[in-house]
Amino acid sequence: GAVVSQHPSWVICKSGTSVKIECRSLDFQATTMFWYRQFPKQSLMLMATSNEGSKATYEQGVEKDKFLINHASLTLSTLTVTSAHPEDSSFYICSALNRDKISTDTQYFGPGTRLTVL
Amino acid sequence: GENVEQHPSTLSVQEGDSAVIKCTYSDSASNYFPWYKQELGKGPQLIIDIRSNVGEKKDQRIAVTLNKTAKHFSLHITETQPEDSAVYFCAASPPGLSFGAGTTVTVRA
Repeated sequence: GAVVSQHPSWVICKSGTSVKIECRSLDFQATTMFWYRQFPKQSLMLMATSNEGSKATYEQGVEKDKFLINHASLTLSTLTVTSAHPEDSSFYICSALNRDKISTDTQYFGPGTRLTVL
Repeated sequence: GENVEQHPSTLSVQEGDSAVIKCTYSDSASNYFPWYKQELGKGPQLIIDIRSNVGEKKDQRIAVTLNKTAKHFSLHITETQPEDSAVYFCAASPPGLSFGAGTTVTVRA
């Protein structure tokens, strides 16, 4: 149990276009999902916390109008990188909290999405 | 906010030897400490976690210890195997989940 998927696994886009990344909890319901960004050889940096049915909470320094997050259901959250630029190229990873687990603070991570902006 | 420091940044061990990674945290309110293993191009995988009401937890070749007074916790991998080679991250929560900088472990065959 506690499997999280992401789609796509990688994407290449032109500068100025928008890219949507999906994060799904496959075998559990996730009231809360998180979006992280990871640059090469660096740690994970939390971008935002997404709660089902409400607005996402963004970390300091993360532009909410650039990184649009929608948590429309208990199993799906999406991250849209709008007007992408080369500096947005990174590894984007989502995680989810399993509301059915006693350990409600355990985050299960997706496999990540490699975004390359040309 | 929480500040998690992790050492060493790289660790090379001979197959069969033990590997130890240490982390410290700053926020005394933190009470949950997971460890993640990340292979190249993949997402982090939870390998073990510990809560503040216990001092040690073991799962086969992996163990974690926690010293809440000193605010540090450690990951111990015994009888290392080549497939243990990866980047390992410690983390502390709450607030949120703050990650250490990571340790690249290389197990030499």
